[in-house]
Amino acid sequence: SAVISQKPSRDICQRGTSLTIQCQVDSQVTMMFWYRQQPGQSLTLIATANQGSEATYESGFVIDKFPISRPNLTFSTLTVSNMSPEDSSIYLCSVEIRAYYGYTFGSGTRLTVV
Amino acid sequence: QKEVEQNSGPLSVPEGAIASLNCTYSDRVSQSFFWYRQYSGKSPELIMSIYSNGDKEDGRFTAQLNKASQYVSLLIRDSQPSDSATYLCAVNTGNQFYFGTGTSLTVIP
Repeated sequence: SAVISQKPSRDICQRGTSLTIQCQVDSQVTMMFWYRQQPGQSLTLIATANQGSEATYESGFVIDKFPISRPNLTFSTLTVSNMSPEDSSIYLCSVEIRAYYGYTFGSGTRLTVV
Repeated sequence: QKEVEQNSGPLSVPEGAIASLNCTYSDRVSQSFFWYRQYSGKSPELIMSIYSNGDKEDGRFTAQLNKASQYVSLLIRDSQPSDSATYLCAVNTGNQFYFGTGTSLTVIP
């Protein structure tokens, strides 16, 4: 399966600032997915990032708050903008290597907003 | 109704026992089914996948799928303290990937 390098692994940020999370995959993938996992809860899909097109956002998530870049088939970034304490969460990127073969996840970014 | 439902637990079993985790899903056209293990503070790790009715065994893990009843289960034999984690059920409908809320498992030494 693919290996995904995600950074930073954790950060503590001031409210009102922004944080950019990076994910690098060791193979080319068509789609990359960004998830949020709030404490004690399951995974919530934020958006799907395709190379060469705008990301597709799920209900409740907007581009102004979570801008995504996908400059090539191995890399993507998610920015959490104008952060508030409610954004404190674990953010995960993931990829599907082959259809119906499940997703592989990056190591996650634990974000705390103070 | 949620796409994927699991009992949140916590589920506690003694070391050496069989742990049984269950999951139901709502979309009958779901194609593939997965179990992830997530240790506290870590990202989910894929441990089992199953695509057709019946059982699939991998070491101490057995995944069971019943498409007619729309449930998938995970059995962990000879449970070890290192199996203590949250187990997430996931379903791929072909259009989207859905995760359950997870079942917390504690194996008591």
